[in-house]
Amino acid sequence: DAKTTQPTSMDCAEGRAANLPCNHSTISGNEYVYWYRQIHSQGPQYIIHGLKNNETNEMASLIITEDRKSSTLILPHATLRDTAVYYCIVRVMAGANSKLTFGKGITLSVRP
Amino acid sequence: NAGVTQTPKFQVLKTGQSMTLQCAQDMNHNSMYWYRQDPGMGLRLIYYSASEGTTDKGEVPNGYNVSRLNKREFSLRLESAAPSQTSVYFCASSEASAGGLDRNQPQHFGDGTRLSIL
Repeated sequence: DAKTTQPTSMDCAEGRAANLPCNHSTISGNEYVYWYRQIHSQGPQYIIHGLKNNETNEMASLIITEDRKSSTLILPHATLRDTAVYYCIVRVMAGANSKLTFGKGITLSVRP
Repeated sequence: NAGVTQTPKFQVLKTGQSMTLQCAQDMNHNSMYWYRQDPGMGLRLIYYSASEGTTDKGEVPNGYNVSRLNKREFSLRLESAAPSQTSVYFCASSEASAGGLDRNQPQHFGDGTRLSIL
């Protein structure tokens, strides 16, 4: 199973882009990269996922390197409400279904 | 637009008591999951249900039972609560197909049940 490595924490200024890195050097060809976040006292919230192409939605952009060994989640204009723990996850299959393996994530602090 | 609803939000139990955590989703999802979250441990999968009528063990199933009551509801039961089961419990659902073919759909989580066992 591919594992992910993220820095423990980072901060950015409100209104600036937040670039959150993730390493997944042992990822398999059919494994997706998922990003979730967890705001204090709430359940995890899905942000975005991708296989090999860059992806963008209303929340964020996901940039995956050509060799797929790392990726970056970009929040284009961070707000104070984006302060949360962000989890980079590689999807693991478990029988007829799949499970998410959450690591410790990266704590993003957005400062005014 | 409720999504995934968990009840209760908070509960305190004494060792040996039993209780059932309830979870319901209104997104017509086939798959449902129960996780627990402990400080420094991330989320760990307890049980999951790929479709109505099926359940499977996750990483930490001991001390728990589940019931997939219908497509909407997936309950988690502690028969004899222990202090080691003090945790925050999250339910999630996803749109994996009933045939078990996973389209890599994301999981949607409830806001959790905070359970303390004395």
